Amino acid sequence: RKEVEQDPGPFNVPEGATVAFNCTYSNSASQSFFWYRQDCRKEPKLLMSVYSSGNEDGRFTAQLNRASQYISLLIRDSKLSDSATYLCVVSNGGSQGNLIFGKGTKLSVKP
Amino acid sequence: NAGVMQNPRHLVRRRGQEARLRCSPMKGHSHVYWYRQLPEEGLKFMVYLQKENIIDESGMPKERFSAEFPKEGPSILRIQQVVRGDSAAYFCASSSIPAHRGTYNEQFFGPGTRLTVL
Repeated sequence: RKEVEQDPGPFNVPEGATVAFNCTYSNSASQSFFWYRQDCRKEPKLLMSVYSSGNEDGRFTAQLNRASQYISLLIRDSKLSDSATYLCVVSNGGSQGNLIFGKGTKLSVKP
Repeated sequence: NAGVMQNPRHLVRRRGQEARLRCSPMKGHSHVYWYRQLPEEGLKFMVYLQKENIIDESGMPKERFSAEFPKEGPSILRIQQVVRGDSAAYFCASSSIPAHRGTYNEQFFGPGTRLTVL
């Protein structure tokens, strides 16, 4: 089983649509969770951290379910500029601190 | 405040040559991470360094790959005797202090070096 698994995508949606991405992780001891965004041929950029209580940042809502080892990202009222690949990322903490990335889900928002 | 700098942005090598990838962390950051992204794949952790120390190299291939972060100057990822399978985007990230259990320090990524092996 892969450490971090995501919906394979791609997701093709019209402007204004609501889209949800799902992600599962295999290590129950994982401590930190994130969604990153990666534009084509660019570096990943942190979109938002994911907290157990769930958190919202404008049109973006992230949820974490530790019992199910499941993370989600909801994008409301999608914009053309939301088109990118969304990466589910987990950190196991400790002295290493390295990030474990999912393969990403590609989102394409059409006019 | 300049972000993470990587150079070169694009590097072409023939099989058997050496590739040197450089990363300058953000100002004030002393922790550097290297990741590799193969085509159509997610980023994979390679190595975590502090100044003059390798902290975690669990993701580094056992042969041909090495990394350093000297007291002065950028971090270097060195690939000897490159093969076609080394073609990938290599991203460097930096953070200000290391992650400790239960906490996280954001890693800021550089623009990457795209290595093509002919």
